[in-house]
Amino acid sequence: QVQLQESGPGLVKPSETLSLTCTVSGYSISSGYYWGWIRQPPGKGLEWIGSIYHSGSTYYNPSLKSRVTISVDTSKNQFSLKLSSVTAADTAVYYCARNIAAAGKFDYWGQGTLVTVSS
Amino acid sequence: DIQMTQSPSTLSASVGDRVTITCRASQSISSWLAWYQQKPGKAPKLLIYKASSLESGVPSRFSGSGSGTEFTLTISSLQPDDFATYYCQQYNSYSLTFGGGTKVEIK
Repeated sequence: QVQLQESGPGLVKPSETLSLTCTVSGYSISSGYYWGWIRQPPGKGLEWIGSIYHSGSTYYNPSLKSRVTISVDTSKNQFSLKLSSVTAADTAVYYCARNIAAAGKFDYWGQGTLVTVSS
Repeated sequence: DIQMTQSPSTLSASVGDRVTITCRASQSISSWLAWYQQKPGKAPKLLIYKASSLESGVPSRFSGSGSGTEFTLTISSLQPDDFATYYCQQYNSYSLTFGGGTKVEIK
C-alpha cells in the first residue's frame, strides 16, 4: 500500500522560504511515476504546485514557477518542496501525491499539512 | 493555462437522488479528466480518470462521461457517505488545473 506523509514547519514568517518534505512508503520513488505537490487555501479549491520524476525532471505551475523548487532524494525515498518569498496568500494545506504521469491523475495522497504564513 | 469551470458550486440533494455535476474546460482536453471527492479535513480521493474510468474500489453508483470540453460526474443514487465536495482536474497539458469544486449538501 502506497503511503505519503508530509512534514515540515507549520508556521513560516512572511518573506521567508516554506520547506516541506514528503516521505513515501510502500513504493520506491526510483521505480517510476511523478510525485507532486498540491495546495488548498482554507475554504478554497485545489491548486497544483508542481511535480517531479525520480530523475529530477520537473514541471511547475507557471503562476508559481519563479518561487518554487521541487527536489527528490531517492536514497531516502523522499521529495521536497521549497517556496520562497512567502506571503499570507501562501497559507494553505499542502498535500503531496503520486502523479501517474507528468500530465496525469493523482492516485495516492498524503493527509496534508497546514502551513500558516504569519509574523 | 486550461481553465476548468464546475457547476453548480453548491448542490442540495436528498439520499437516493440522482446527482449530476458538470465540468467545462476552456479548450479541448480530449478525455484527460479526473474527478475527486473530498471530505472536510481529508485529502481528495480519486474517483474517475480518463473521463469515464472508475478507479478501483469506487462504488459503481459513480460514473463519468464527456470528452472535449464538457464533462459530467453522475451519482446514480446519492448515499449518506457521498455528501462531500467534488473536484475535476484536467491533465491534457503539463500545467495541471482543477475546477473550483462542487459541494453536495444534504437537502
